[in-house]
Amino acid sequence: QQPVQSPQAVILREGEDAVINCSSSKALYSVHWYRQKHGEAPVFLMILLKGGEQKGHEKISASFNEKKQQSSLYLTASQLSYSGTYFCGTGPTSGTYKYIFGTGTRLKVLA
Amino acid sequence: DAGVIQSPRHEVTEMGQEVTLRCKPISGHNSLFWYRQTMMRGLELLIYFNNNVPIDDSGMPEDRFSAKMPNASFSTLKIQPSEPRDSAVYFCASSNRGTSGNLPEQFFGPGTRLTVL
Repeated sequence: QQPVQSPQAVILREGEDAVINCSSSKALYSVHWYRQKHGEAPVFLMILLKGGEQKGHEKISASFNEKKQQSSLYLTASQLSYSGTYFCGTGPTSGTYKYIFGTGTRLKVLA
Repeated sequence: DAGVIQSPRHEVTEMGQEVTLRCKPISGHNSLFWYRQTMMRGLELLIYFNNNVPIDDSGMPEDRFSAKMPNASFSTLKIQPSEPRDSAVYFCASSNRGTSGNLPEQFFGPGTRLTVL
């Protein structure tokens, strides 16, 4: 079952903040976040493991609530370079090699 | 490191033709993944290999699709015969499984944009 991301799309001005959510109907062991710029391949941002750990990357951080089977990505003081489509990738169990990518959130940052 | 290499970058073919997509993973990586991306269905996992062995091909759409990994540095995804609904961007990704038990990050190739007329 594909994780559902919200919102589907968001438009920001430079310097504004945004939150992207990822919800799964299945129990999660880990969540990965990727960013894909138009016409390019997805690029890894960060991984979160069960336990509610929060990771950071530049001014982008994320949290993981395993009980709620959710993860959220926080973009602070957004920059033009943050534009792209963000995907969460969820791993159901430890030891599995694969994860399922979410529906994606298109983010556009305007000057 | 050259990263994951895919060829061709673009492929235009006619319905019924055979299509072969190629991938060279990052040296030393032991897991390889094939994905298909479309606007309608997003990023779908087709098949993945670990140490050259296919582990899960449940995402392969139908018998027209097949994938092989004859050695650690090369994999192919073949579609025979191709149909217009196969038009998509096909990504290959590799990762290093390691021993931590955690799902490692995946490194994606540039993708092959396939158009079936």
